Amino acid sequence: GDSVTQMEGPVTLSEEAFLTINCTYTATGYPSLFWYVQYPGEGLQLLLKATKADDKGSNKGFEATYRKETTSFHLEKGSVQVSDSAVYFCALNSGYSTLTFGKGTMLLVSP
Amino acid sequence: SAVISQKPSRDICQRGTSLTIQCQVDSQVTMMFWYRQQPGQSLTLIATANQGSEATYESGFVIDKFPISRPNLTFSTLTVSNMSPEDSSIYLCSVVGGGSSYEQYFGPGTRLTVT
Repeated sequence: GDSVTQMEGPVTLSEEAFLTINCTYTATGYPSLFWYVQYPGEGLQLLLKATKADDKGSNKGFEATYRKETTSFHLEKGSVQVSDSAVYFCALNSGYSTLTFGKGTMLLVSP
Repeated sequence: SAVISQKPSRDICQRGTSLTIQCQVDSQVTMMFWYRQQPGQSLTLIATANQGSEATYESGFVIDKFPISRPNLTFSTLTVSNMSPEDSSIYLCSVVGGGSSYEQYFGPGTRLTVT
C-alpha cells in the first residue's frame, strides 16, 4: 500500500538558515504529492503541491520538486524565519480521494 | 479553496459522555472526511462522509463509537461516544478541493480532552 516516510524531528535551526525536510514515498501509479503545515494550536494548511514528475511546488518561499526516480519530495527553504516554526506533513494521493500522511516533522527556528 | 469552520474549538469532557463536533463548509462539497490526530502524532482517517449515503469507516473505527451525519452538502457532524481518556485528540474535518489532484482543505480542528 501507499506510504510516506519523513525525517525525524525536531529540526532546530537559527533564523535565516537553510531548511531541508526529507520526504520519500511508496505508491502505486503516479501520485500527487503535498506538503501541509500545522502551526501551533491550528489545523492543517496546504503549503504546496505537485501533481506529476519534475513539477516544482512553491509557496511562501518553500519549494519541493517531485522526483519520480528517487520517489522523493523534499521540502526546502533558503532562509527560515521564527514564524516558520510548525509541524510539516508530507502526504500523497494515488488517484483516490484519501490522503496518506507522513508522521510529521517539527521545525523549531530560534532568533 | 474552501473555508471550513468547526465547533466547538475545544472541550473538556467527562469519561462516559458523548460530544458532537460540527463541521461547516462555505461551499457545496461531495466528499468530507473526519480525521483524528492524537497528541504528537500524524493524522488518522476515521471515515469518509458523502451526502446521501452512509459514512465509510476505516479499519479500527466503528459507527457505534463515531457516528457521523451528513444531512447536506455543506455540513457534517461527528460524535465521539462513551468517551475515555484515550479519545483525547484533535478531531479535524476536511473536504476535497476542485481539480484532479484531490488536495484536501482542513478545518481548524476540535481539541478534545477526556478526564
